[in-house]
Amino acid sequence: ELKVEQNPLFLSMQEGKNYTIYCNYSTTSDRLYWYRQDPGKSLESLFVLLSNGAVKQEGRLMASLDTKARLSTLHITAAVHDLSATYFCAVDTGNQFYFGTGTSLTVIP
Amino acid sequence: EAGVVQSPRYKIIEKKQPVAFWCNPISGHNTLYWYLQNLGQGPELLIRYENEEAVDDSQLPKDRFSAERLKGVDSTLKIQPAELGDSAVYLCASSFTSVDTQYFGPGTRLTVL
Repeated sequence: ELKVEQNPLFLSMQEGKNYTIYCNYSTTSDRLYWYRQDPGKSLESLFVLLSNGAVKQEGRLMASLDTKARLSTLHITAAVHDLSATYFCAVDTGNQFYFGTGTSLTVIP
Repeated sequence: EAGVVQSPRYKIIEKKQPVAFWCNPISGHNTLYWYLQNLGQGPELLIRYENEEAVDDSQLPKDRFSAERLKGVDSTLKIQPAELGDSAVYLCASSFTSVDTQYFGPGTRLTVL
């Protein structure tokens, strides 16, 4: 069974700081997705990464994929309060689709 | 452009009763997903459709859950009979193809008493 692990599970960071969320997965895949979920709300797609070495950036968030290491990172630059949410990665092997455990991010003023 | 529509938004039923959820994807989206999300956890894929064909239903508990996507557009997910452990949020999502961005509906919160 495909396993998708994120760390940290909880992250509290100050505004203006940088940090990275990690997503490790156990089976070969070159399809990885990042999502954001605000409390009580549905999910919002952030990034779709479809090849080794893929890097995508949107605002203060940048995601990358290393399929050989089975690792994706979501880097946060100069965090602001509006980024407080839960972030999920998800891996698609073609016949399995699993979400990670989620990282709950709180940005403190 | 309208997003993914789900109904009902909330449903409370007693155990052993049947329940059905409806999803209308974004127009033109060929891939449709049903997920279950428990509080504090990530979503779990129940079933994925490519047009009207179910291409991944390995995590759908087939003894009590069923789904259909007639004509490859809207879809229904049914539970019969419901159990206490089925209480969760049921999310529907759609994408143009299986490798494109998924757009999620607001979800249906099911409470089984």
